[in-house]
Amino acid sequence: AQRVTQPEKLLSVFKGAPVELKCNYSYSGSPELFWYVQYSRQRLQLLLRHISRESIKGFTADLNKGETSFHLKKPFAQEEDSAMYYCAGVDNYGQNFVFGPGTRLSVLP
Amino acid sequence: DAGITQSPRHKVTETGTPVTLRCHQTENHRYMYWYRQDPGHGLRLIHYSYGVKDTDKGEVSDGYSVSRSKTEDFLLTLESATSSQTSVYFCATNENTGELFFGEGSRLTVL
Repeated sequence: AQRVTQPEKLLSVFKGAPVELKCNYSYSGSPELFWYVQYSRQRLQLLLRHISRESIKGFTADLNKGETSFHLKKPFAQEEDSAMYYCAGVDNYGQNFVFGPGTRLSVLP
Repeated sequence: DAGITQSPRHKVTETGTPVTLRCHQTENHRYMYWYRQDPGHGLRLIHYSYGVKDTDKGEVSDGYSVSRSKTEDFLLTLESATSSQTSVYFCATNENTGELFFGEGSRLTVL
């Protein structure tokens, strides 16, 4: 079965420190992977997707097929990065999106 | 923002009563989804729709039904609400672009 895991429920870092939110997936075939973010009192929104290979708000994520991982990284965390982050995957058919349990990132001043 | 609105945004009800949540979109997206968000579980798919009158079950569909009589509306019904259905419910849409657009969520409390 398709599955996305995020081992950390809560991650706290100080402002300016590097941050890495972990995501692992279990899929057959070649899934597409995403990171969604939910800021306080806002709706969930797409942060980035692996096929675009772009950096959004300083965040990057590389798909590692050997380790079946899609970790989200940022070299210097900012307080406004505090939010709930969800890793998600979609199968080859492109419509069944599966989400991980989420990691709450808290960036301390 | 894909023009997705959910109603009601907050509801408190009693065990055994029926509840219907509505999702309305203005973007003419083909695919619509209902998720529930619970601590430690993230977002879990309840039901989804791939067109008018075309729906399918998700991971946690027991106790829920859906209907889609128009492209823009996707209704989620709890026939007889239970306390385990206390949750935040999110509607989302997709037009085969790989990006989900979410509503603001509906917080349901079942006493």
